[in-house]
Amino acid sequence: AQSVTQLDSQVPVFEEAPVELRCNYSSSVSVYLFWYVQYPNQGLQLLLKYLSGSTLVKGINGFEAEFNKSQTSFHLRKPSVHISDTAEYFCAVSAPLNRDDKIIFGKGTRLHILP
Amino acid sequence: GAGVSQSPSNKVTEKGKDVELRCDPISGHTALYWYRQSLGQGLEFLIYFQGNSAPDKSGLPSDRFSAERTGGSVSTLTIQRTQQEDSAVYLCASSTSSPWANVLTFGAGSRLTVL
Repeated sequence: AQSVTQLDSQVPVFEEAPVELRCNYSSSVSVYLFWYVQYPNQGLQLLLKYLSGSTLVKGINGFEAEFNKSQTSFHLRKPSVHISDTAEYFCAVSAPLNRDDKIIFGKGTRLHILP
Repeated sequence: GAGVSQSPSNKVTEKGKDVELRCDPISGHTALYWYRQSLGQGLEFLIYFQGNSAPDKSGLPSDRFSAERTGGSVSTLTIQRTQQEDSAVYLCASSTSSPWANVLTFGAGSRLTVL
């Protein structure tokens, strides 16, 4: 079965600095990968997704992620963060070709933007 | 409706009581998920319904938890003999099948507090 590891539970970063949130997955077959974001006191929403094709995926609010099959990673990056990026970020995976297309989430990474 | 609707939004109960949480997915969405969100645990998968297939119950933490989905639409998550460790936010999400495969729309959640 597929699984996701988010290596950092919290990441502090200064405003306007770059950030990378790490995500590694485990699956023996091809996967779909997702990043979801939960802003304070709000519901989860999709940030970006990788289904196939180009390994560099661009999402909303200037975020992007790169699928690296050899390293089984899907790290999320932003070149310059804003205070409004304060949120919890969740990486998720599904393995539809393995007849196991349920979506499994990681434990989340809280991004703290420092002024 | 326009979004995923969950009720109640807040539920406070006494240890040992049974609770029912309801989810009304987006009309036409064939997939429905229940997740549990608690501090430090991220989004814990509970159960997954897809069309007329047998549900994937692999995430249910004990036999006190059960869920059903009637007519391929509304779902109810039932927790029997609640325990304090059941306190969490229970999130429901739904999605269509491809081409937007596995992109989830989340409800606002039901916050359960067991005293």
